[in-house]
Amino acid sequence: EAQVTQNPRYLITVTGKKLTVTCSQNMNHEYMSWYRQDPGLGLRQIYYSMNVEVTDKGDVPEGYKVSRKEKRNFPLILESPSPNQTSLYFCASSTYRDGETQYFGPGTRLLVL
Amino acid sequence: GEDVEQSLFLSVREGDSSVINCTYTDSSSTYLYWYKQEPGAGLQLLTYIFSNMDMKQDQRLTVLLNKKDKHLSLRIADTQTGDSAIYFCAESSLYNQGGKLIFGQGTELSVKP
Repeated sequence: EAQVTQNPRYLITVTGKKLTVTCSQNMNHEYMSWYRQDPGLGLRQIYYSMNVEVTDKGDVPEGYKVSRKEKRNFPLILESPSPNQTSLYFCASSTYRDGETQYFGPGTRLLVL
Repeated sequence: GEDVEQSLFLSVREGDSSVINCTYTDSSSTYLYWYKQEPGAGLQLLTYIFSNMDMKQDQRLTVLLNKKDKHLSLRIADTQTGDSAIYFCAESSLYNQGGKLIFGQGTELSVKP
């Protein structure tokens, strides 16, 4: 089954404790991205990757890092989480050729105390 | 920069038609999407329309695109209580970071029996 998986699905942590949210897709997609969803703001892109070892900032990259060492994985790293990073995070992937639809993961709900 | 706007709430009675509206600013939009998010769930792609189309129909869903006014609408016929969810409008452009999705704030649809 074609899917995007994220782990963990729920996470409560404390300010400053490094964490990683994993994202994996089994569709051989080149394009992957991370979004955060906040009430009243919709979803905003954090980082994206056009292919292995190619990453770039989205609209709200501050406080986040990513890596793309393998095509299927695109982890989101919060080196020193702060309460304003409490949010719902979605990973997405697509082939992106002429508007191919993007597939979203189930979401990771993060609470930073 | 690019922007997508939606009204935040819509309430309808079961069996009525729902119309959710969206406006966008990016004149180079290639695809426009409607996503559905049920409580506590991820994003489900409902439908999408290519920017050179005016209308797309898929069972109970009708998408209308007015490219001149940059206005997109989603009509749900015979709305059911199971249609209660948040609906996100989104647009992407081939010229924008390889297809980054720009989301509206989401419209919360409440269907009353």
